[in-house]
Amino acid sequence: EVQVVESGGGLVQPGRSLRLSCAASGFIFDDHAMHWVRQAPGKGLEWVSGISWNSGGIGYADSVKGRFAISRDNAKNSLYLQMDSLRAEDTALYYCIIGYSSGWYLDAFDIWGQGTMVTVSS
Amino acid sequence: QSVLTQPPSASGTPGQRVSISCSGSSSNIGNNTVNWYQQLPGTAPKLLIFSNNQRPSGVPDRFSGSKSGTSASLAISGLQSEDEADYYCATWDDSLNGQGVFGGGTKLTVL
Repeated sequence: EVQVVESGGGLVQPGRSLRLSCAASGFIFDDHAMHWVRQAPGKGLEWVSGISWNSGGIGYADSVKGRFAISRDNAKNSLYLQMDSLRAEDTALYYCIIGYSSGWYLDAFDIWGQGTMVTVSS
Repeated sequence: QSVLTQPPSASGTPGQRVSISCSGSSSNIGNNTVNWYQQLPGTAPKLLIFSNNQRPSGVPDRFSGSKSGTSASLAISGLQSEDEADYYCATWDDSLNGQGVFGGGTKLTVL
């Protein structure tokens, strides 16, 4: 079964850091781009970041550029999101997603995890 | 304020055909393909339509997508109670240094 499982969410104070992880299984991980999309409580979806199959291409939303860093380890079938200088507006459910293609840009978000909640509050 | 504009709500009765619109601009929908996602209550979103009008395996052919110029549309025929969900359109915007963009979502109610 194809699945992705997120972990690493929690309650963090403004200005602090958090690292999300995503463990993938059931498919050839390095054939696919990967993405993070978030959803604030009661709100819509926001694309956060994407990474191509070989980490050769990476993109970020303007709202997180310079603060968040996406990475992947194909040997471990894992995706990561390092989140620094967190703000209250980063509070959201963060979804790890398998891309439909191998490149991140123009990709479709194919298989979604259940998400991990990040709450930024003092 | 979302880059792509969707109506906040839509409704229909069982068996009816409903359509949800998604409006953008030349830098996003006008230049790139559109994908649609369905989010059932309390669950993660699911890819419903990709590349404007393609259905992933397992998605019923009651769901169809189309695109014309800077707008796209999702149509659901033979509406069923289990179709009650939030629907989001999405694409990529070339003018924003290449970023993914979503519509604000449309809550579909089956009356």
